[in-house]
Amino acid sequence: AQSVAQPEDQVNVAEGNPLTVKCTYSVSGNPYLFWYVQYPNRGLQFLLKYITGDNLVKGSYGFEAEFNKSQTSFHLKKPSALVSDSALYFCAVRDMNSGYSTLTFGKGTMLLVSP
Amino acid sequence: KAGVTQTPRYLIKTRGQQVTLSCSPISGHRSVSWYQQTPGQGLQFLFEYFSETQRNKGNFPGRFSGRQFSNSRSEMNVSTLELGDSALYLCASSPEGVRINYGYTFGSGTRLTVV
Repeated sequence: AQSVAQPEDQVNVAEGNPLTVKCTYSVSGNPYLFWYVQYPNRGLQFLLKYITGDNLVKGSYGFEAEFNKSQTSFHLKKPSALVSDSALYFCAVRDMNSGYSTLTFGKGTMLLVSP
Repeated sequence: KAGVTQTPRYLIKTRGQQVTLSCSPISGHRSVSWYQQTPGQGLQFLFEYFSETQRNKGNFPGRFSGRQFSNSRSEMNVSTLELGDSALYLCASSPEGVRINYGYTFGSGTRLTVV
């Protein structure tokens, strides 16, 4: 079975400060990892993914994520937060070795960036 | 190219009624997945279809069903609606095939309210 944990329901950060949204995962094989963002009354938008290769993945809107296999983590980061980054963020995983597995999502973390 | 289209955007139904939601995936995408999103439960996987066949199914009662047509368009149906079925229903499409390192492209969702 595969699972994702996002330990923080909400993250507050001031504009201009760095932000981190945490994600840990569990899969039996090797993971594919994703981050999505959701704005109010909208679907999820893809931010970035980790498949193989460099542990630091760069994505849309200045976001990046660091894959850490030993800690089974895939934290989302941005060096300087914007008020417009305020949204709901989801981490997701699928097991590379389990055939046609689906994406499993975490419960989401609300990011609030204050001016 | 056009994104994932979900219709209708909003629905209000009465307890006991049934409802059908529609999803048109990105052209060329053969996999369609459905998720239920509620504030308390987050994103819950309903089912996935690939080439008109249900490939995976989540832990939902039999009142929830779906199908996929030869043009990859998909519908989901909920019979005997309950108040707890009120949610945002999201459809996601993916190219899929043998490789499973693709993420999903989501539609904007259908907001179902059961009264």
